[in-house]
Amino acid sequence: NAGVMQNPRHLVRRRGQEARLRCSPMKGHSHVYWYRQLPEEGLKFMVYLQKENIIDESGMPKERFSAEFPKEGPSILRIQQVVRGDSAAYFCASSPNYKNTGELFFGEGSRLTVL
Amino acid sequence: QKEVEQDPGPLSVPEGAIVSLNCTYSNSAFQYFMWYRQYSRKGPELLMYTYSSGNKEDGRFTAQVDKSSKYISLFIRDSQPSDSATYLCAMSGETSGSRLTFGEGTQLTVNP
Repeated sequence: NAGVMQNPRHLVRRRGQEARLRCSPMKGHSHVYWYRQLPEEGLKFMVYLQKENIIDESGMPKERFSAEFPKEGPSILRIQQVVRGDSAAYFCASSPNYKNTGELFFGEGSRLTVL
Repeated sequence: QKEVEQDPGPLSVPEGAIVSLNCTYSNSAFQYFMWYRQYSRKGPELLMYTYSSGNKEDGRFTAQVDKSSKYISLFIRDSQPSDSATYLCAMSGETSGSRLTFGEGTQLTVNP
């Protein structure tokens, strides 16, 4: 499967636990984006990464959230000390180059439920 | 005020109908306009992509951008039950790259 791969597809956490979401971009893509979709809301940009670099994190909450895209392996979105308001679908998207201005390829999402 | 406004619907039409979906926006810096389709419990997939003002047609789908009115539209001709999905408009500017601003999405149901 050459598409954007996200796992886990579903994750349940209790308040205060940590959530780790993983994303492998499409083959040949070096740019990764994370978006969050809250219930009854549109997709909201969170962060844009290239290998080993955070390019734009203007959409990331200031606390508890972090993202990385290491030289080897998938990109990871980490949420520490989760709260009920973190329950959402988290989508990863990839693109092949910086000049790509909107033609993103999305994964199927990771749905986080915080009890 | 939201940067991008989209009527969430839901919109229900009979098979074969012409569907019109719309978004308005407030940020004049937006230059790239997209429509994504999202099936239930799936990720969005790019449907149409337009740069600046004008029309673009692809099969049964036509995207229109009117930058003077800050208004974009997606028309679906001869709608099919398989078109039933949520349609998301998205936009970005020259400096925002792929940091897209999405509308809330319009839920469309095409009834056989």
